[in-house]
Amino acid sequence: DAGVIQSPRHEVTEMGQEVTLRCKPISGHNSLFWYRQTMMRGLELLIYFNNNVPIDDSGMPEDRFSAKMPNASFSTLKIQPSEPRDSAVYFCASSLGETDTQYFGPGTRLTVL
Amino acid sequence: SQQGEEDPQALSIQEGENATMNCSYKTSINNLQWYRQNSGRGLVHLILIRSNEREKHSGRLRVTLDTSKKSSSLLITASRAADTASYFCATDDQGGKLIFGQGTELSVKP
Repeated sequence: DAGVIQSPRHEVTEMGQEVTLRCKPISGHNSLFWYRQTMMRGLELLIYFNNNVPIDDSGMPEDRFSAKMPNASFSTLKIQPSEPRDSAVYFCASSLGETDTQYFGPGTRLTVL
Repeated sequence: SQQGEEDPQALSIQEGENATMNCSYKTSINNLQWYRQNSGRGLVHLILIRSNEREKHSGRLRVTLDTSKKSSSLLITASRAADTASYFCATDDQGGKLIFGQGTELSVKP
């Protein structure tokens, strides 16, 4: 079975541009998580969904960040407008339940110039 | 504040030696999980131990859990260069999601 799929794998953009990251969770998983990882701050949970409904978005840094999960097989994380401090690796993960084993995607390395 | 915190932050050992990493947490948990991350990759689940378990084994991995001390340890026996990675513990918080620690960076020298 395919694991969690993320696209793009790498994204380089200029400050002020809109960035959209995409994630396809493992089929049958009910929970989906978006994380951001940097050297300075480590791994941070941004938001997670359960059965396509956002449960906790307290980790979303500011209004420039938004996430959607229109159906069980797709989620997006959007940054508009992007800033250099958003540069990081963004991971999507899915699990059967909220506290079950999480399966991580390969990540999207975002660079904002 | 962090629910799970690993110790040490970095560990360097020789191939063949054992590596021990510790995780401390603050609140009651249902389970504790350990993950590994190779450089540039996503995290990979290693092992899950439930709050009513004290020890669990998986291959060269041994995990212990002491709920009275709110701590867990991950032991990797007979380490290999391929074990070089960052290791994270994750605990479920009261709100029903996993919280990851900052990780221990393990370097195994051949």
